[in-house]
Amino acid sequence: QVQLVQSGAEVKKPGSSVKVSCKASGGTFSNYAMSWVRQAPGQGPEWMGVIIPDFGTANYAQKFRGRVTITADESTSTTYMELSSLRSEDTAIYYCAREKAPYSTSFFDSWGQGTLVTVSS
Amino acid sequence: DIVMTQSPDSLAVSLGERATINCKSSQSVLHSSSNKNYLGWYQQKPGQPPQLLIYWASTRESGVPDRFSGSGSGTDFTLTINSLQAEDVAVYYCQQYYTTPFTFGPGTKVDL
Repeated sequence: QVQLVQSGAEVKKPGSSVKVSCKASGGTFSNYAMSWVRQAPGQGPEWMGVIIPDFGTANYAQKFRGRVTITADESTSTTYMELSSLRSEDTAIYYCAREKAPYSTSFFDSWGQGTLVTVSS
Repeated sequence: DIVMTQSPDSLAVSLGERATINCKSSQSVLHSSSNKNYLGWYQQKPGQPPQLLIYWASTRESGVPDRFSGSGSGTDFTLTINSLQAEDVAVYYCQQYYTTPFTFGPGTKVDL
């Protein structure tokens, strides 16, 4: 089973940007879609977007379009999520989550451990 | 966007009893060409990421105990936990993957 290891917690000022990484090991990287999902305190998960590294282009939820960028580096099996113009409502745990089947975008059988992003002045 | 709702918000179940969680989607997630419901269930324990339990509405993920079962079609779905064990205390979420943005329900907390 693939293992997903994310970068550490971040504290950011409002208006700044954050970039979270997710390194995959133990499985194929390029042909499995990787989504980013965030979860605010006490809330359900919220899907932000997805990338299939083989294809290179990302698909974003309308809510985050213009503020989020998801990229993948096949040479290091790492996916990145950058969120800009941060506001307090962006305080959440951010997860990377991998699809169960190759070249599909659906449900997630592997998750990173989560990265807490705190936005505070 | 497809809105997912769940009921109840929380429930308390005795050890060995059954827990039933309902999930409703604002539009059908049944794909006509494949005749599959694009609906999954996850379990989340404190401090952990969600864990996949069920996909295609009723297919149990590998390693998930058979006391967990999913049913339903179209817009109405149910997760049933038979003979609840202490380790089943968690929050349960449904998720539709019929169309992007994929959306999750608000969760149902199961306690003893």
